[in-house]
Amino acid sequence: AQSVTQLDSQVPVFEEAPVELRCNYSSSVSVYLFWYVQYPNQGLQLLLKYLSGSTLVKGINGFEAEFNKSQTSFHLRKPSVHISDTAEYFCAVTTDSGYALNFGKGTSLLVTP
Amino acid sequence: DSGVTQTPKHLITATGQRVTLRCSPRSGDLSVYWYQQSLDQGLQFLIQYYNGEERAKGNILERFSAQQFPDLHSELNLSSLELGDSALYFCASGRENTDTQYFGPGTRLTVL
Repeated sequence: AQSVTQLDSQVPVFEEAPVELRCNYSSSVSVYLFWYVQYPNQGLQLLLKYLSGSTLVKGINGFEAEFNKSQTSFHLRKPSVHISDTAEYFCAVTTDSGYALNFGKGTSLLVTP
Repeated sequence: DSGVTQTPKHLITATGQRVTLRCSPRSGDLSVYWYQQSLDQGLQFLIQYYNGEERAKGNILERFSAQQFPDLHSELNLSSLELGDSALYFCASGRENTDTQYFGPGTRLTVL
């Protein structure tokens, strides 16, 4: 079975600063990796996904993530955050299309002026 | 707006009761997934249906059941409710062999 560990439960950052949210996965087979964002009182929205190919994946709202197979990581980055990026971010893994997602515990990103 | 709708938005009930949560997938999506989000367990997969048939089961309690109807909407039935069942329940939908799941806004269940 595959699993995901999000190493930071909370990440406070100042507006316009860069941010990295860390995600490590565990799996004995090839994986598909995802980052979802959950704004307060809303559902989950897909930020980006890695299926295969280029290890650097670009998503919506200026976010990007890099798949590193040797370190089993899929860290999410943004070079300059906005107040509106304040939300809960979830890393998720699955082993094939159409299968259920295994989510990490989430990282709460708090952007302050 | 993901195109996935869930009703009701909020549900408050008492221990021992039974409730039904409803989900309508995006147009054309045959798969429906149910997830539970709670403070202590995080986001957990409960069950998946594909075109009316159960496809996969996760950490779903025996007191919980689900079904997907011919029009592809799905219902999650929770019975003999306990305080610990209080959570946000999400439905997601997707196409066959697609990697992306689209999530609904969730139903917040409070058991008193």
